Amino acid sequence: GAVVSQHPSRVICKSGTSVKIECRSLDFQATTMFWYRQFPKKSLMLMATSNEGSKATYEQGVEKDKFLINHASLTLSTLTVTSAHPEDSSFYICSARLGAGAVSADTQYFGPGTRLTVL
Amino acid sequence: QKEVEQNSGPLSVPEGAIASLNCTYSDRGSQSFFWYRQYSGKSPELIMSIYSNGDKEDGRFTAQLNKASQYVSLLIRDSQPSDSATYLCAVEPLGAAGNKLTFGGGTRVLVKP
Repeated sequence: GAVVSQHPSRVICKSGTSVKIECRSLDFQATTMFWYRQFPKKSLMLMATSNEGSKATYEQGVEKDKFLINHASLTLSTLTVTSAHPEDSSFYICSARLGAGAVSADTQYFGPGTRLTVL
Repeated sequence: QKEVEQNSGPLSVPEGAIASLNCTYSDRGSQSFFWYRQYSGKSPELIMSIYSNGDKEDGRFTAQLNKASQYVSLLIRDSQPSDSATYLCAVEPLGAAGNKLTFGGGTRVLVKP
C-alpha cells in the first residue's frame, strides 16, 4: 500500500516551454501532497504544500506564478513549470500523506521523481 | 542553526558491521520522526517511523528516540553493500503548518565489502 506515482519520469525541454508533472496516489486518498526539488548532492527542498480543493501554500522564495500547482482530486496533484529555463533543471519529487484517520496519517510517501532538463 | 542536523558523512562501515546514524532536532515539541533512505538518483523511501521514546526494531533496522535529549538515531545491523545510500532524518515539528516535515541534510553511508 501507499504507492505514489509520478509522470513523466524524465523530461527534456527547450527553454521557454512549460512542463507539467503529475503526481498520483495509487491506492489511497491524499488530502495533502508536497512538492520538493533536489539539486545534485543536495538535500530535499520543499517547494509547496498542495491541499485538495484549495490553493497551494508556497515556501518562501518559490515563485507561485512560475511553479503552478493544482490539486484537483484526492489522488492527483500537478506541478507545471512555466517558461522553464536551464536553472530550473532539477529533480522534482512529490510526496503524499495518508491523511487524518489513517494509520500513520502523518507519514509522507514519495513518488519516484521527475528529472527535468531544460536546454 | 539548522532545525534538523545530521553528519553528512560519508560513514564508512565494513560489510557485516553495525552502522550508527545520529540526528538531532531543535523543536522540543516535535512528535513524529522518520528515517528515509535515498539511493543516488532516486527518491526517498521510508525505512521507519518512531513516535515514542525508546527503541523500535524492524528487521535489520532499529530506530532510537530520546525526546529529552532531542535526538533520534538509526542502527543498521549486518550492513550490506546494498545499504550504501544517503539516510535522511525527518521531523514533524509540533503544530507544523501544513503538516510539513523538516529534513536533515542526510548522512551518506558507504558499506565496503
